[in-house]
Amino acid sequence: QKEVEQNSGPLSVPEGAIASLNCTYSDRGSQSFFWYRQYSGKSPELIMSIYSNGDKEDGRFTAQLNKASQYVSLLIRDSQPSDSATYLCAVNKGYSTLTFGKGTMLLVSP
Amino acid sequence: NAGVTQTPKFQVLKTGQSMTLQCAQDMNHNSMYWYRQDPGMGLRLIYYSASEGTTDKGEVPNGYNVSRLNKREFSLRLESAAPSQTSVYFCASSEEVTGNEQFFGPGTRLTVL
Repeated sequence: QKEVEQNSGPLSVPEGAIASLNCTYSDRGSQSFFWYRQYSGKSPELIMSIYSNGDKEDGRFTAQLNKASQYVSLLIRDSQPSDSATYLCAVNKGYSTLTFGKGTMLLVSP
Repeated sequence: NAGVTQTPKFQVLKTGQSMTLQCAQDMNHNSMYWYRQDPGMGLRLIYYSASEGTTDKGEVPNGYNVSRLNKREFSLRLESAAPSQTSVYFCASSEEVTGNEQFFGPGTRLTVL
């Protein structure tokens, strides 16, 4: 079983819609969770971090964590064409380095 | 603040040549990392340095060496490049290894012919 799994996509949404990106992880002891955005040809950029169960909101972005079900999600409200990118989920447990998923490509059409 | 910087941005090598990728950060972070990213494979950790003076292997260390020159700088060396090392290389840094956000440099696109 892969440690961090994401649907590769592409996930296509129209402009103004809510984009929902999901990530599951296998290690129940994972403690820290991150979402990165990566534009084509660019480096990953941190957009959200979440450490406890529940929702965390930052502007149009909401990260949701459910440790019991071992999933973390990212909601993007009022999606814009500039949100089109690959979104990487990353998970950390204890004194270990981040484990990245392979990413979900998001396409927002005007 | 420049954040994490990497040189060079692009490099073409012939099989068997050697080179060193340079990385520096100005965020006073303790931990630094080298990743490679290949299509369909995601980000894979090559080596990391939890703190100045320490280095550890990641998921794919074979064919690479690293040096943590000081707190700011972490270099990656390919002693004898192979076509399988064609990839995009990213350096990253964080305050600590545990539970901390990592910040990435702009990357080096390496082609080995």
